[in-house]
Amino acid sequence: EDKVVQSPLSLVVHEGDTVTLNCSYEVTNFRSLLWYKQEKKAPTFLFMLTSSGIEKKSGRLSSILDKKELFSILNITATQTGDSAVYLCAVGNNNDMRFGAGTRLTVKP
Amino acid sequence: KAGVTQTPRYLIKTRGQQVTLSCSPISGHRSVSWYQQTPGQGLQFLFEYFSETQRNKGNFPGRFSGRQFSNSRSEMNVSTLELGDSALYLCASSFGGHSYNEQFFGPGTRLTVL
Repeated sequence: EDKVVQSPLSLVVHEGDTVTLNCSYEVTNFRSLLWYKQEKKAPTFLFMLTSSGIEKKSGRLSSILDKKELFSILNITATQTGDSAVYLCAVGNNNDMRFGAGTRLTVKP
Repeated sequence: KAGVTQTPRYLIKTRGQQVTLSCSPISGHRSVSWYQQTPGQGLQFLFEYFSETQRNKGNFPGRFSGRQFSNSRSEMNVSTLELGDSALYLCASSFGGHSYNEQFFGPGTRLTVL
């Protein structure tokens, strides 16, 4: 059965720390892997990854995909309290979009 | 550009009733996907519509159905409501299919079944 597993499930850090969030998957006919940030509302798009080894970067956030080992990481450097949220990983194929349980990140001042 | 809108935002129903939720995608987007989010199961894919056709369907019972209109607006219907249907229902739109493009989520409809 297709699955997407995120780790850790929760993480507490202090402002300025660097964090790495993990997403591993077993999905048939992989098409894309997406990262979303969800605060107290709808998820907002961060990255879409389709090719291995190509880092996507946006400000302090970056992500990379390894299609051989079937995982992706999301890095956040110099964390800020505004980064506190649930980070969701989703993997899409031709039929489905499967989400992981999310990693709840709390950044303390 | 206006974002994805969903109506109503909150809904309270009783068991056995049926409900219809509405989603208006971003202008120009042809794909609308629906998701159910609960604390226990997380975000689960319900179905995707593209150009008025259901293209994909998740693992939900037939009580969950939907449709898409020619202007890309979509509705989702749940019949014979059960307590376990209480959830946040999110719709998301994208230009192409949901696995090919980033999706933009609406604010959701919070359904409570009593």
